Amino acid sequence: KAGVTQTPRYLIKTRGQQVTLSCSPISGHRSVSWYQQTPGQGLQFLFEYFSETQRNKGNFPGRFSGRQFSNSRSEMNVSTLELGDSALYLCASSFGTYTGELFFGEGSRLTVL
Amino acid sequence: KNEVEQSPQNLTAQEGEFITINCSYSVGISALHWLQQHPGGGIVSLFMLSSGKKKHGRLIATINIQEKHSSLHITASHPRDSAVYICAVRVGTGTASKLTFGTGTRLQVTL
Repeated sequence: KAGVTQTPRYLIKTRGQQVTLSCSPISGHRSVSWYQQTPGQGLQFLFEYFSETQRNKGNFPGRFSGRQFSNSRSEMNVSTLELGDSALYLCASSFGTYTGELFFGEGSRLTVL
Repeated sequence: KNEVEQSPQNLTAQEGEFITINCSYSVGISALHWLQQHPGGGIVSLFMLSSGKKKHGRLIATINIQEKHSSLHITASHPRDSAVYICAVRVGTGTASKLTFGTGTRLQVTL
């Protein structure tokens, strides 16, 4: 069974640009959540989707957005990139919501110059 | 004060030693996760707990809901256990719930 796939794995952008990251969950999983990891702040929750609906959102500015498609694949978008957005962005999938075991992807490492 | 506190922050052990990593939280939770992150970034879920104790191979996780505390034990540690171990708690219920993470415990196991 294929794991959680995140693309791209690495990317470099400049300030002011926007970026879209993709996450394909494990087949049959309907919940996808996104996290940002930085050396200074550690892991922080971004958002969580279930059956194409955003269930919850962390404390991030509106420049961070996401969506989930009918096949459970999810994308997150960051607009008007800032240097502080440089981070490892991780997604995780689970079969159910809220209390399901999480399966993480390898992450997308974003560098903003 | 962080909602989730882990101790110790760093831990060095010799192969074969018994290791304990602690996690304390200050709010009501619906579940607690123990995660393992190796250099390079990939995260693996080790346990998800809402009560009691779970065991998987050399790993044991316990949780005491009344004391708001969980422990991760590694028996007969091995160099391949070297990683960062992260405690995460699900705070709130239903659509108001979200995961909050500890800062991690960096474990190095030497020969």
